[in-house]
Amino acid sequence: SQQGEEDPQALSIQEGENATMNCSYKTSINNLQWYRQNSGRGLVHLILIRSNEREKHSGRLRVTLDTSKKSSSLLITASRAADTASYFCATDTGSYIPTFGRGTSLIVHP
Amino acid sequence: NAGVTQTPKFQVLKTGQSMTLQCAQDMNHNSMYWYRQDPGMGLRLIYYSASEGTTDKGEVPNGYNVSRLNKREFSLRLESAAPSQTSVYFCASSEKTGALGGYTFGSGTRLTVV
Repeated sequence: SQQGEEDPQALSIQEGENATMNCSYKTSINNLQWYRQNSGRGLVHLILIRSNEREKHSGRLRVTLDTSKKSSSLLITASRAADTASYFCATDTGSYIPTFGRGTSLIVHP
Repeated sequence: NAGVTQTPKFQVLKTGQSMTLQCAQDMNHNSMYWYRQDPGMGLRLIYYSASEGTTDKGEVPNGYNVSRLNKREFSLRLESAAPSQTSVYFCASSEKTGALGGYTFGSGTRLTVV
């Protein structure tokens, strides 16, 4: 079974709106990573947050981690049509091989 | 462009045929990985190579073999293809296992077994 599970499975918003997707996991982690996958392409690493961190920013991306709730969220502010993609969380539980969730499909309408 | 190169991009096989998926990276990464991606299943690890000369099974290794030919190249072989192996296959690399810089992925091989 997947260690990380993204929610919602699909998200449809208008350009300029914020997009929030969540990742829940089951066991303790060393770090959690977020990836983006454009249609027909490989995954692209977006951001990594360590278990002792609570929040990280990268451009329009904001990631939070709540280890007590075993959950993380990815916020994309001021979404653009080019942000249309699937987003995956990947959790590293200490084996150093992250386990990927099923992803959230984001559609941003121009 | 630097990165991970996979060949071929598309392949159709008949049940029982064999083939090798090729992967090469030019980033001097130590670790390489093979994943498969199926609809609704996310990515599942097939095999990985933590460093040149080593390979280890992942979550779904049955029906596959791998070879870490050198530091740059990591191939995935299907000896006798089955329809259940219809999937999109991704190769990835990282500086080392547990790399905090994340993985670099190839663009994938879409395999159909009929």
